[in-house]
Amino acid sequence: NAGVTQTPKFRVLKTGQSMTLLCAQDMNHEYMYWYRQDPGMGLRLIHYSVGEGTTAKGEVPDGYNVSRLKKQNFLLGLESAAPSQTSVYFCASSATTVYGYTFGSGTRLTVV
Amino acid sequence: TQLLEQSPQFLSIQEGENLTVYCNSSSVFSSLQWYRQEPGEGPVLLVTVVTGGEVKKLKRLTFQFGDARKDSSLHITAAQPGDTGLYLCAPQGGGSNYKLTFGKGTLLTVNP
Repeated sequence: NAGVTQTPKFRVLKTGQSMTLLCAQDMNHEYMYWYRQDPGMGLRLIHYSVGEGTTAKGEVPDGYNVSRLKKQNFLLGLESAAPSQTSVYFCASSATTVYGYTFGSGTRLTVV
Repeated sequence: TQLLEQSPQFLSIQEGENLTVYCNSSSVFSSLQWYRQEPGEGPVLLVTVVTGGEVKKLKRLTFQFGDARKDSSLHITAAQPGDTGLYLCAPQGGGSNYKLTFGKGTLLTVNP
């Protein structure tokens, strides 16, 4: 089925470890986004991309890096994980926001 | 800075009851989207409203966009357990046509 696929679905990291979250979409969407969702805080935009080879900072970018080398993939990296990065991470894509976002099913990350 | 408020934050009702949830902002929107997020999944787009005063119906769900384009409501008739989830509004406005800011949501529980 067409959509947004996130891997992995669950991950536990130790403080200071690094990891990369992968987001892949097969809808030929130009725009891609990474959000984190925390209780009481809602969905907050980390980074986004308006096309292949472009990235931009969102509301809470510190501690994260992203890359969009291919149109269909958007990678989110944590170079040195901290407990404050424990969260559920969602990737989304859109053709334009008028038509809404398509979200992945999320990655639950715990940093201990 | 746009202030976005969703109310109520939590709502627990019995099957068959009616309910309304609200999304209010300090700013004028060009359009607004409603999403529903079920436990363990990403948000799914329900509707986009564009015109002030617009009313859209999706089965038992009725969405209204305020005349002043600063607020919106979602009314559910005869709620069912399958309506349980987090309802998020995402207004779009200004020059940022590819980024959405989400409200913190209304967590609805419909008990059998």
